[in-house]
Amino acid sequence: GAVVSQHPSWVICKSGTSVKIECRSLDFQATTMFWYRQFPKQSLMLMATSNEGSKATYEQGVEKDKFLINHASLTLSTLTVTSAHPEDSSFYICSARVAGHSYEQYFGPGTRLTVT
Amino acid sequence: AQSVTQLGSHVSVSEGALVLLRCNYSSSVPPYLFWYVQYPNQGLQLLLKYTTGATLVKGINGFEAEFKKSETSFHLTKPSAHMSDAAEYFCAVTGANSKLTFGKGITLSVRP
Repeated sequence: GAVVSQHPSWVICKSGTSVKIECRSLDFQATTMFWYRQFPKQSLMLMATSNEGSKATYEQGVEKDKFLINHASLTLSTLTVTSAHPEDSSFYICSARVAGHSYEQYFGPGTRLTVT
Repeated sequence: AQSVTQLGSHVSVSEGALVLLRCNYSSSVPPYLFWYVQYPNQGLQLLLKYTTGATLVKGINGFEAEFKKSETSFHLTKPSAHMSDAAEYFCAVTGANSKLTFGKGITLSVRP
């Protein structure tokens, strides 16, 4: 149980285009999802917290107009990288928190984004 | 505020040897502590967690960790390393805001 999927697993896009990454909780309802960014050989950096039906809360320094997050249902959150640039290339990981369990997060397999 | 310190970036052990990965934390509230493992180009898998109760927690794949409040530590151990244990390991803490704060991670290599 508690499986989280991400799609796509990797994507290459041209500079200036937008790309959408999906995060789904497959067998549970997730009232809260988190989006992280990970640079090579580094730790995970929390980008934003996404609550179903409300606006995402972004961490300091994260551009909310560049990284659009939508959490339209209890099983789906999306991250859209708008007007992507090479510096946005990274590994993006989502996690989902089970409703009623405030401390435990289940992680997706990650999405590798390369902007050329 | 909360933080996690994982000293060193790389640990190398021989197959069959003891694995010890250190983690110290700082938290203004009673912490929940986690160890995650990450294999290349994959997400994070939960190894074990401490929330309340018994301070020695056992996880998957033979790993265990002991919460020591007096030392603000949550070190990860495994009695006998296996080649398949080679991966990146992250210690994390969550507090009142339920956000996870990760350590910088440590790479475990296992020599045959």
